[in-house]
Amino acid sequence: QQQVKQSPQSLIVQKGGISIINCAYENTAFDYFPWYQQFPGKGPALLIAIRPDVSEKKEGRFTISFNKSAKQFSLHIMDSQPGDSATYFCAANNNAGNMLTFGGGTRLMVKP
Amino acid sequence: DTEVTQTPKHLVMGMTNKKSLKCEQHMGHRAMYWYKQKAKKPPELMFVYSYEKLSINESVPSRFSPECPNSSLLNLHLHALQPEDSALYLCASSQGTGRSYGYTFGSGTRLTVV
Repeated sequence: QQQVKQSPQSLIVQKGGISIINCAYENTAFDYFPWYQQFPGKGPALLIAIRPDVSEKKEGRFTISFNKSAKQFSLHIMDSQPGDSATYFCAANNNAGNMLTFGGGTRLMVKP
Repeated sequence: DTEVTQTPKHLVMGMTNKKSLKCEQHMGHRAMYWYKQKAKKPPELMFVYSYEKLSINESVPSRFSPECPNSSLLNLHLHALQPEDSALYLCASSQGTGRSYGYTFGSGTRLTVV
């Protein structure tokens, strides 16, 4: 059972554009929602994270929007740059903090 | 030090070999994890150690044997692996369990079983 569903699988954006990646979850025990960025040959790196008591969090060009009633959250990358080209994973962790579950991933390509 | 260090970076082993993957962190994190990642797939949880004790084993075959010698080190012992076990093995750590914290991942060990 895939507990975190992520879309789209791949995304091509022009430099300067906005990249939007969406995730949906089912397990109401999830209480921590991080986004990870992974470059080829590297491990995932934590980008930004949100807890369900907040509807939006912004860090630089990265914003998470969270809709608790719909059980959905999304990542917006403003002013996308070629260096942002990577695979992005949404994830969710339970309130015991020991079961980080990943979405299927989105391969982002930002064209110059 | 804000890193998780994994060694070796690459490993090729035969199906009859015994090898070990090592992971080290000096952030004072009390939870450590092993994940397996196949190409173009998300990481999949294998094991969770909390305060040096194994707390979760996600039905991983016994040919994978984890060990946590102390709060900074995590090993994964490999024996009699199959070619389908070839993958990127990722170690991660977090402040602890009992509440959700961000995980810090290492760069992984690229394992090829021949």
